[in-house]
Amino acid sequence: GAVVSQHPSWVICKSGTSVKIECRSLDFQATTMFWYRQFPKQSLMLMATSNEGSKATYEQGVEKDKFLINHASLTLSTLTVTSAHPEDSSFYICSARDRGWEGPYEQYFGPGTRLTVT
Amino acid sequence: GQNIDQPTEMTATEGAIVQINCTYQTSGFNGLFWYQQHAGEAPTFLSYNVLDGLEEKGRFSSFLSRSKGYSYLLLKELQMKDSASYLCAVRRAGGGNKLTFGTGTQLKVEL
Repeated sequence: GAVVSQHPSWVICKSGTSVKIECRSLDFQATTMFWYRQFPKQSLMLMATSNEGSKATYEQGVEKDKFLINHASLTLSTLTVTSAHPEDSSFYICSARDRGWEGPYEQYFGPGTRLTVT
Repeated sequence: GQNIDQPTEMTATEGAIVQINCTYQTSGFNGLFWYQQHAGEAPTFLSYNVLDGLEEKGRFSSFLSRSKGYSYLLLKELQMKDSASYLCAVRRAGGGNKLTFGTGTQLKVEL
């Protein structure tokens, strides 16, 4: 149980275009999902917290107009990178929190999406 | 704010034991996690500590000292497949269950 999927697993796009990444909790409901970005050989940096039915909360330094997050249901959150530039190339990982579970396994990570902007 | 430090790289021999340290400074501690991450993959959960002491799970153990802001992950009977990055992450009380990750330690297991 507790599987999180991401789609696509990798994407290449041209500079200036927008890319949407989906994060789904497959067998549990996720009130909260988290979006991370990871540059090569660096650790995960939290970008934003996505809450079902409400606006996302962005970390300091993350442009909310560039990284649009929508959490329309308890099993789906989307991250749209608008007007992508080469510096946005990164590994984007989502995690989902199983609502009502306060134990150590409460965040389940998706397999990640490799974005390359040319 | 939070500050989490780990060694950048470590090398160990197959069959040996390795200890990866993590020090942290945070306002309001509510748990420390260790994750394993292979290149290009998502992190996988290894262990969780919220109280002082040692948590053992098979070949992996994790220790926490809240007063010292210190944790370590101990890997026994190292195998080649243990070559990966090991991430220490701290959950802050009142932080909405957000995790702040350390810099990660790249472990290389050699023959």
